[in-house]
Amino acid sequence: EAGVTQSPTHLIKTRGQQATLRCSPISGHTSVYWYQQALGLGLQFLLWYDEGEERNRGNFPPRFSGRQFPNYSSELNVNALELEDSALYLCASSQQRAKTDTQYFGPGTRLTVL
Amino acid sequence: AQTVTQSQPEMSVQEAETVTLSCTYDTSESDYYLFWYKQPPSRQMILVIRQEAYKQQNATENRFSVNFQKAAKSFSLKISDSQLGDAAMYFCAYGTSGSRLTFGEGTQLTVNP
Repeated sequence: EAGVTQSPTHLIKTRGQQATLRCSPISGHTSVYWYQQALGLGLQFLLWYDEGEERNRGNFPPRFSGRQFPNYSSELNVNALELEDSALYLCASSQQRAKTDTQYFGPGTRLTVL
Repeated sequence: AQTVTQSQPEMSVQEAETVTLSCTYDTSESDYYLFWYKQPPSRQMILVIRQEAYKQQNATENRFSVNFQKAAKSFSLKISDSQLGDAAMYFCAYGTSGSRLTFGEGTQLTVNP
């Protein structure tokens, strides 16, 4: 069974540009979560999508947005990039109706803002 | 709000020995789940073990086991017969059904040969 996949592996942008990160969940999983892991700040919850809808978002500005497609894959968009957006962005998926809703993570996208 | 605390930023263990990583959490919920994830240098977050709060029995996965003390809100991870491949950052995480995970700050584990 294929795991969660993310693309690209690395992304380099300049301040003010837009970044698009992609995530494909494990087959059969309907929920996708996005987390930011910035140096020294730990793992912070960004967004949660389930069945195509945004269910919850963390304490991030509106320039962080995303969507979930009918095939349950997801996109995270970061507009007007700032230097402090440099981080590892992790995507996780879960089978929403399963008892434990365990989240399985992808390998991450390393975003560098210059 | 739920919080997760890992009070040991770094731990080290000799190969083949046993090490215990500590985690405490705070919640007012009665039904929740606890997890330990490891993050090796590759940065991929890997699920190590999970515990449902309603279960009294401590979870075990091969060399990994937990000591879940619900009343004390404590959830420690014991790694037996430590191997070089166990070296990683370990994160304790809390979640409720269908919601975000809240992570601790992490514990960097070094395994010495």
